[in-house]
Amino acid sequence: GAGVSQSPSNKVTEKGKDVELRCDPISGHTALYWYRQSLGQGLEFLIYFQGNSAPDKSGLPSDRFSAERTGGSVSTLTIQRTQQEDSAVYLCASSLYGLSPSGNTIYFGEGSWLTVV
Amino acid sequence: AQTVTQSQPEMSVQEAETVTLSCTYDTSENNYYLFWYKQPPSRQMILVIRQEAYKQQNATENRFSVNFQKAAKSFSLKISDSQLGDTAMYFCAFLVPPQGGSEKLVFGKGTKLTVNP
Repeated sequence: GAGVSQSPSNKVTEKGKDVELRCDPISGHTALYWYRQSLGQGLEFLIYFQGNSAPDKSGLPSDRFSAERTGGSVSTLTIQRTQQEDSAVYLCASSLYGLSPSGNTIYFGEGSWLTVV
Repeated sequence: AQTVTQSQPEMSVQEAETVTLSCTYDTSENNYYLFWYKQPPSRQMILVIRQEAYKQQNATENRFSVNFQKAAKSFSLKISDSQLGDTAMYFCAFLVPPQGGSEKLVFGKGTKLTVNP
């Protein structure tokens, strides 16, 4: 596609329910990233994929959070048993082969705004 | 651990004037990349400008330029001839080339810039 596509753009869910957030990166981009942006905060790294592998999962806040990527393309971020503190914008990004060593540009989607009530 | 600090939560400028957003970072690495991203109300993060640490020359992109002071670990963004469309959150970000397979942009908390007519 022309850009990074995320769905849903907005999601309201009840506390305790599971949610899935989808990211469709730019075609041909091997690197994919998930970030979380809470109100008034910067972006918090969650996970990085290179192809279907996740070399760095260090940012996932708890074992309720998981992510997978299939076919080197679409990625799904799953949050189980959602809590109110999970409310945030979840941003997905992709880049061609990754950001190093050339400092390739990372392209962001418009995010999925999750509200847990 | 690398950190990025943006000391100005909010700034405003009159249309056509010049404004400078500050950013400092902390790292013991010698090779890294620095970025400024813009996030308008649409939420999509847009790359404004990037700088490789090994380059002494300051990066410029049209009305946007940086003042990169490596010894001081400072990376400020200057916007000349400000336009109403420059109104957005601006995030400074930092990347150290992959270590152990990780690729993680570290973001500051952002500066909200308002351009007034």
